[in-house]
Amino acid sequence: GAVVSQHPSRVICKSGTSVKIECRSLDFQATTMFWYRQFPKQSLMLMATSNEGSKATYEQGVEKDKFLINHASLTLSTLTVTSAHPEDSSFYICSARPYSGANVLTFGAGSRLTVL
Amino acid sequence: GQSLEQPSEVTAVEGAIVQINCTYQTSGFYGLSWYQQHDGGAPTFLSYNALDGLEETGRFSSFLSRSDSYGYLLLQELQMKDSASYFCAVRYSSASKIIFGSGTRLSIRP
Repeated sequence: GAVVSQHPSRVICKSGTSVKIECRSLDFQATTMFWYRQFPKQSLMLMATSNEGSKATYEQGVEKDKFLINHASLTLSTLTVTSAHPEDSSFYICSARPYSGANVLTFGAGSRLTVL
Repeated sequence: GQSLEQPSEVTAVEGAIVQINCTYQTSGFYGLSWYQQHDGGAPTFLSYNALDGLEETGRFSSFLSRSDSYGYLLLQELQMKDSASYFCAVRYSSASKIIFGSGTRLSIRP
């Protein structure tokens, strides 16, 4: 089945530094990937849609200069949290459609970011 | 705006049946799906409905009524491992954007 790999699973960083999270589709090509953010015991909030070879589309209220998304290939999308602050601490999850036209998503395992 | 409503918590007994309801208001509708998420883990896909009616997948079934903007997830023969959060989600755009409900935390007791 379709597998999405996300790395790192956990990261701790100091305030002011930048952190990069990678999302890879292992056995399929993903022209579109989605980045979600989840706070403890809350729902998944769509942050942005990552499009291969073009700019990401951000949801309202998400700072594109804060959360840089790059989708350089059909199997890799990256999310960089720039100048991280403690309020950026969260669970970040990427997802992709396992095949063209699929109506459901395959999720990566998620990355828990803690900013000190 | 887009919104999905589901109960925040449900408690059930091992071996029993539980139903988790979901109502939605979205700008578009392409299908209702259900995901399971254990603490600290990623969501995993359970079931999907694009048309009205019941879809059955093992112990899990999902129902959709588009005219009522309503669906539910039915879990049968509950097992302790089913303790998790369950999210309904609606694909509301042709670009495959999916919005999630707030999640229902299912607790199962022996």
